[in-house]
This record gives sequence, C-alpha cells and structure tokens, in this order.
Amino acid sequence: SQTIHQWPATLVQPVGSPLSLECTVEGTSNPNLYWYRQAAGRGLQLLFYSVGIGQISSEVPQNLSASRPQDRQFILSSKKLLLSDSGFYLCAWSGGTVNNEQFFGPGTRLTVL
Amino acid sequence: AQTVTQSQPEMSVQEAETVTLSCTYDTSESDYYLFWYKQPPSRQMILVIRQEAYKQQNATENRFSVNFQKAAKSFSLKISDSQLGDAAMYFCAYRSVSVISGLTFGEGTQLTVNP
Repeated sequence: SQTIHQWPATLVQPVGSPLSLECTVEGTSNPNLYWYRQAAGRGLQLLFYSVGIGQISSEVPQNLSASRPQDRQFILSSKKLLLSDSGFYLCAWSGGTVNNEQFFGPGTRLTVL
Repeated sequence: AQTVTQSQPEMSVQEAETVTLSCTYDTSESDYYLFWYKQPPSRQMILVIRQEAYKQQNATENRFSVNFQKAAKSFSLKISDSQLGDAAMYFCAYRSVSVISGLTFGEGTQLTVNP
C-alpha cells in the first residue's frame, strides 16, 4: 500500500533562517506531487506541483521554492523565512489516472518567530 | 481561475440528526471534479466524497451524500445520523480534469456535533 511521510512534524524557526521540509511517498512510482499551505483557520492553498523529477510548477509567487531530486521525494525550501511563512504545510500525491484523488501527508506545522 | 466558496464558517448539529454544509464554486470549465474533505483535530486531510461533473447522479458514501446542482454551481454535503466522530473542519474542493491539476479549496466549515 502507498504511504506518504512528511518531516519534520513541527518546526520553529527564526525570521531570516533557511527552511527545508521533506515529503516522501512509498508504494507507488512516478506520482504527481503537491505542496499546499494552510494558514490558521483557513483553507489550503496550492503552492507547487510536480509531474516528475526536476519538473516543478509554481502556483503562487513567494518566498518559497520546491525541488524533486528523486521520483518519490519532494522538498520545500526557503533561503530566508518571513513571518508570513508560518502555517501548516501539507504534501499530497496522486496517481496517473484522471480521477484519482489526492492523498495527503500528516503535515508540518511551521512557526516563524 | 476557479473559486470555491463556503458561506458557513461554523455549523452545529445534534447527534443522530442531519446537517447540510453548503458550497458554491465558479468555473468556466464544463468538466471537473468536486470533493469534500474532512480535517479532524489531527489535521489529517481525509476524503469524504467525490463527484464527477459529467455524472448527473449525486454521489453517496454511507451516511454522506451530496446535492450537486451543476447549473447553479452548487455542491452541498449532507451528513445523516451525525456522530460525534463527524466533528471536524470540512472543506469543499474543486479540481480540473487535467491529470496534474491541483485542488482549489474553500475556506472550510467547522462542524460541531452536540451529544
């Protein structure tokens, strides 16, 4: 069966520090991968998606970047965090068929102080 | 761009009763998918139900059913025989037919189930 992992679960970082959040998927190959951000009490906003290694599409211009160094690994990064980067970050994957649902990871809670 | 609107920030229901959560969306596409996700306090996103726009029949999953009105661009969720475990934030989401399309979410409805 497929599983999706996110690391770390929680993170507290000072303003101006770098960021690296990791997402890995097991049990499937060539997944579509997604990064979402959820502000407190709000809905999810799509940040990035990827259809393959090295292929990244950005939905919202911002302080963040994403990379996909391996087929089942998706990384969210920042060189210098802003207070507004605080939130709950969710990674998701979907398979190749059109009507597949997106399966979400457990999320990372990021607090920027 | 597509938008999804949930006009009820909070709803409450008595255990064993029925509750309906509202969702409207805006799109120029003729084919798409609609979803209801549940987010309990653990914050894990759980798919509740899915509707394909080309299907006229409303989707049903056990106690959960939808009222899909394509012309009105409305997609409400009905929860029957509400249980304490149904208490959560519920999100309506839209997805284009494209395989790689991400989800567009509404702002959510916080559902409280009273014993």
